This record gives sequence, structure tokens and C-alpha cells, in this order.
Amino acid sequence: GESVGLHLPTLSVQEGDNSIINCAYSNSASDYFIWYKQESGKGPQFIIDIRSNMDKRQGQRVTVLLNKTVKHLSLQIAATQPGDSAVYFCAENLNTNAGKSTFGDGTTLTVKP
Amino acid sequence: EAQVTQNPRYLITVTGKKLTVTCSQNMNHEYMSWYRQDPGLGLRQIYYSMNVEVTDKGDVPEGYKVSRKEKRNFPLILESPSPNQTSLYFCASSWRLGQYMPGELFFGEGSRLTVL
Repeated sequence: GESVGLHLPTLSVQEGDNSIINCAYSNSASDYFIWYKQESGKGPQFIIDIRSNMDKRQGQRVTVLLNKTVKHLSLQIAATQPGDSAVYFCAENLNTNAGKSTFGDGTTLTVKP
Repeated sequence: EAQVTQNPRYLITVTGKKLTVTCSQNMNHEYMSWYRQDPGLGLRQIYYSMNVEVTDKGDVPEGYKVSRKEKRNFPLILESPSPNQTSLYFCASSWRLGQYMPGELFFGEGSRLTVL
């Protein structure tokens, strides 16, 4: 079945460095991908999304890259700040999957001052 | 303020005592969904609703019921809770991106349920 997986459960970076969080997906028919951030004690929050007809999308300090050839998604955070410390999830949506969203297990990002 | 509101935020109950977790959104979203989050298992979808009076099972629907009588509300019902339903529950809503596909999800703050 479909699955969305993250390469590393934890990532530790120095404040000011760039962070890269990876996600692999198994279904080449996936249409739409979203990255969420979940801070401790809160619900997940939308960061950035990308459709399958795009390779790259940029937001404020964040960039999502989609490589459909190897079914890989990444989230790049520039100049990582302590406030970026959180759990990051990728989510996959398939237009044929009637409303189901599949989430990866999450990567915990820790930013060291 | 656009938001998804869940109640209660925390609840300790006993096996077999029926409970309802309410969810309400003020964004006029068609799509609503319930998830449970457990350590090591990530977010798993319980039930979702594409619109009023339309509900469908997610990946882990056993032991749960839902209803969607109004657009803004999507309560989660545990008819006879068991200890394996101890979890952190999230309600979310979204507009529809396509015929079946939700857009970005707006999550509530979560409801931590303990079943003794």
C-alpha cells in the first residue's frame, strides 16, 4: 500500500545553519504533498505544499523539492532558528484516494544555540 | 479568528463509558477529518468527511463513530472506549482541492484521552 516515510527520525543542527529534512514516498501517482510542523503540545501547522507538476516551491526561509524520478521530497529550512525546533511531517494526497491523507512518521528537528 | 476547536482538551475516563469529542471549524470548510497520534506510529486517519452527511472510514476506524449533520461540526464518538484508544486525537478541516483531494489541513489543538 501507499506509505510516506522519512529518512531520519531526528536531526540536530546549529543555529544559523541550513536544515534539510527528507521524505520518501512509494506511490508514483501521488498528486499533492504537504509539509507540516508540529510544536510540542500543539497541532500540526501547514508550512508549504507542492503539486506533482512542480519540482520546487519556495516560501519564506523554506523550500520544498520534489523529485518524482526517485519519489523523494525534501524540506529545506534556511538559517535555522531555535523556533524551528519541532517535529516535521510530510503528507501525501492521492486524487484517487478519496479524501485520505497519509502522513510520514515525523522528523524531530533540534536547533542548538 | 479562523480556527478548529476541539473539546475536551484532556479527558480521563473508564472502559466502556461512552464519550464524545467535539470538533468545530469556522472556516466554512467542506472537508473534515479525525486523526490519532501515537508514539512511533505518527498520525493515523480515523474517519473523514467530504461534506455534510458524507463520511468515510480512514485507516483505523474500529471503535469509533462520527457524524456530519452540519458543515461546521464533526464529533468523534467512542461508544465503548477501551484502553487501546488512549491517544492524542486531532481534528482537522480543509477546503477541497479537487474532487477528492483536500487542500492544506487546519488542525485543532488536540484532545488527550486516557481510558483506564
